Amino acid sequence: DAGVIQSPRHEVTEMGQEVTLRCKPISGHDYLFWYRQTMMRGLELLIYFNNNVPIDDSGMPEDRFSAKMPNASFSTLKIQPSEPRDSAVYFCASSFGKGPYLGANVLTFGAGSRLTVL
Amino acid sequence: SQQGEEDPQALSIQEGENATMNCSYKTSINNLQWYRQNSGRGLVHLILIRSNEREKHSGRLRVTLDTSKKSSSLLITASRAADTASYFCAGDGTSYGKLTFGQGTILTVHP
Repeated sequence: DAGVIQSPRHEVTEMGQEVTLRCKPISGHDYLFWYRQTMMRGLELLIYFNNNVPIDDSGMPEDRFSAKMPNASFSTLKIQPSEPRDSAVYFCASSFGKGPYLGANVLTFGAGSRLTVL
Repeated sequence: SQQGEEDPQALSIQEGENATMNCSYKTSINNLQWYRQNSGRGLVHLILIRSNEREKHSGRLRVTLDTSKKSSSLLITASRAADTASYFCAGDGTSYGKLTFGQGTILTVHP
């Protein structure tokens, strides 16, 4: 398996522009997570899905952020309009809720998308 | 707020020495996990310890869990330069599936 695939790896955009980050989870995984990492705030959980359904989006900063999972093999995180404070590394991770670690979500992370908003 | 808080924030040791990192968490957990992150990469799962376990080993890793103190420690024995990375603890206490990470410990192992 190629692991969790994120694109783009790097994105530089100007304030006010729309940003779309993409994630392909590991085939067969039923959980998908979006995290944001910054030096100041560490690793923050933004939203997670189970079987393509959003379970908890309490970490989404504000209405400018939205996430979708139209099917089991694809998710997007959209920021519209983007602001400089959105600059961070955004990670997607997936897990199999009924895997060998029964009752625990062991995450496989993608390589991340580094977003810079000027 | 973060589920886990690591201590120390940074640790610098020589190759061959042992490295100990601590994690404290605020709410009850079902499981506690440790992850490693190399610079510029995603996190990689290292080890999981359940709330009814007190100690677990995996290779050069040893994890302990004290639920009465809401704390865990990760010991890396005979460290190598390749162990240089950030280490994070993560707990799932708030709700099933929701994994919340601490701020991490930056470990530097000098050859």
